[in-house]
Amino acid sequence: DTEVTQTPKHLVMGMTNKKSLKCEQHMGHRAMYWYKQKAKKPPELMFVYSYEKLSINESVPSRFSPECPNSSLLNLHLHALQPEDSALYLCASSQPTTRGRHRSFFGQGTRLTVV
Amino acid sequence: GQSLEQPSEVTAVEGAIVQINCTYQTSGFYGLSWYQQHDGGAPTFLSYNALDGLEETGRFSSFLSRSDSYGYLLLQELQMKDSASYFCAVSKNTNAGKSTFGDGTTLTVKP
Repeated sequence: DTEVTQTPKHLVMGMTNKKSLKCEQHMGHRAMYWYKQKAKKPPELMFVYSYEKLSINESVPSRFSPECPNSSLLNLHLHALQPEDSALYLCASSQPTTRGRHRSFFGQGTRLTVV
Repeated sequence: GQSLEQPSEVTAVEGAIVQINCTYQTSGFYGLSWYQQHDGGAPTFLSYNALDGLEETGRFSSFLSRSDSYGYLLLQELQMKDSASYFCAVSKNTNAGKSTFGDGTTLTVKP
């Protein structure tokens, strides 16, 4: 199983709503990531979890709250979002390694629209 | 600051060879990766270089020169399905996903 599964695929939410994005992988990877990608732009790193601990928070607004319940699951809790937060949210995982191929596996993303 | 530069667009014909260059200036460097992304899809890994030289994976090859802060992706025997965006990405430690991505190169393959 070399998949990263994200749910939901599409999400429309109002600015006062609370919702969560979910990500799951069963490759035994110990690093998981959230990225935000706007149209025609590269993915932008938001959060990094390494061995279930938040190691990087790239100055993301507090209306985005990550959670890593266990080594296979990653959530992104959303609250009081703004229309400019509409984007594709990508989850990825990788195995920390000092040798060999250095690659991330990406999920198909959640396309979020904030209205 | 950190920056990666790659051409915004490249056009080529089926069967041709195309090279997409990437130059980088980053505060840390562990390796250079290349990802392909079709419209509406997720980035998929193509190739990775940590050391100078050429890595070959089927029709795709990638090259790195650490001294020049430069790499390229070489796509051979182009097919229509290769039309996509291609991103170079610099990783800064053992976590591959802790990466800074270039702005991407849109490759259009014509018949």
